[in-house]
Amino acid sequence: IAGITQAPTSQILAAGRRMTLRCTQDMRHNAMYWYRQDLGLGLRLIHYSNTAGTTGKGEVPDGYSVSRANTDDFPLTLASAVPSQTSVYFCASSQGWGNEQFFGPGTRLTVL
Amino acid sequence: GIQVEQSPPDLILQEGANSTLRCNFSDSVNNLQWFHQNPWGQLINLFYIPSGTKQNGRLSATTVATERYSLLYISSSQTTDSGVYFCAVDSDMRFGAGTRLTVKP
Repeated sequence: IAGITQAPTSQILAAGRRMTLRCTQDMRHNAMYWYRQDLGLGLRLIHYSNTAGTTGKGEVPDGYSVSRANTDDFPLTLASAVPSQTSVYFCASSQGWGNEQFFGPGTRLTVL
Repeated sequence: GIQVEQSPPDLILQEGANSTLRCNFSDSVNNLQWFHQNPWGQLINLFYIPSGTKQNGRLSATTVATERYSLLYISSSQTTDSGVYFCAVDSDMRFGAGTRLTVKP
């Protein structure tokens, strides 16, 4: 079944540790996105990629990095996690920037 | 950056009632989407509607881009409609804070 997968489903992490959240899509979409969702704030864009090999910063990029080595994968890395990065992280993809987006199931991250 | 405001923030309905959710945005946009987040956290795209009107079963949406707003209509609501409804615009890919809908049996 075509779609987007994210891993892990949830994670508890000690502050200062490095963590990579994985995202894979099999729809051959060009654009991919990472969002965080915090209570009462909706979703905020962290980083995006319009096509393989390119990335850009969203609304809240500090403390996060991404890479887009191929069309299917778009990992999000927290180099040194802090408690304020406790959130639910969603990956999404679309055919092109601003086109209809499809979301993964999310990763619930807790930083202690 | 662009501001996206949704109203009302919370809405409680009796099953069978109709409702209208509103999304206002502060600047011109090329695309607008409506999403439903169910109680289990899953996000589903409802409409991709940069302008005009679309309908899908009991749901319909209208975007008036020149006046910078979009409306989501839910008719004959069901308990499965409960959840949070978000609008999002392509400018900076901004989401509104959402409308939390509770449909009571």
